[in-house]
Amino acid sequence: QVQLVQSGAEVKKPGASVKVSCKASGYTFTNYEIHWVRQATGRGLEWMGWMSPNSGHTDFAQNFQGRVTMTRDTSTSTVYMELSSLRSEDTAVYYCTRVPCSGGGCDFWDYWGQGTLVTVSP
Amino acid sequence: DIQMAQSPSSVSASVGDRVTITCRASQDISNWLAWYQQKPGTAPRLLIFAASSLQSGVPSRFSGSGSGTEFTLTISGLQPEDFATYYCQQTNNFPLTFGGGTKVDIK
Repeated sequence: QVQLVQSGAEVKKPGASVKVSCKASGYTFTNYEIHWVRQATGRGLEWMGWMSPNSGHTDFAQNFQGRVTMTRDTSTSTVYMELSSLRSEDTAVYYCTRVPCSGGGCDFWDYWGQGTLVTVSP
Repeated sequence: DIQMAQSPSSVSASVGDRVTITCRASQDISNWLAWYQQKPGTAPRLLIFAASSLQSGVPSRFSGSGSGTEFTLTISGLQPEDFATYYCQQTNNFPLTFGGGTKVDIK
């Protein structure tokens, strides 16, 4: 069965960076785009960007341009999202998600990781 | 960016009720809309895509309709497990954006 398993909770100081992993299993890793979505406590959903595990191509929301990096390791079917210059407003649960169709063109998500809480605090 | 206005922000309902949630897009998005359900402490779950297509495994009491700028999610015969927060998402273009959510709680 398809699974996305994320790394554990992190506590970071303002100005630091955090790297969250998302390990995929149960399907052909390179066939489906991975997106990242975050949710501050008690708040709504915010799309961060996506990457193609096949080509490595990425695209990010303007709010995160210059601060976010997405990479992948095809040997372990893992995608990484790194967010730098952290501030208190980045405190949120970060989710990796998978689109349901190979080759792109369907920017909604049928499988989600369990979420990773990132807390930014002095 | 496309803004998604979701209403109401909360609704109190009883088991068996019919609940309707509306989502309005700031520009024409054709049928590029998805709906998700989220329960506390868990990731969202895809209910509807392409405005009206039911995701596999989702009960048929959930239905979606609309096109252009106005969309609705209807729950026909609310069940205890349906008390949750619901979000719409436009998938027409980047950046992907969401409605603010509708919390459905017990009357």
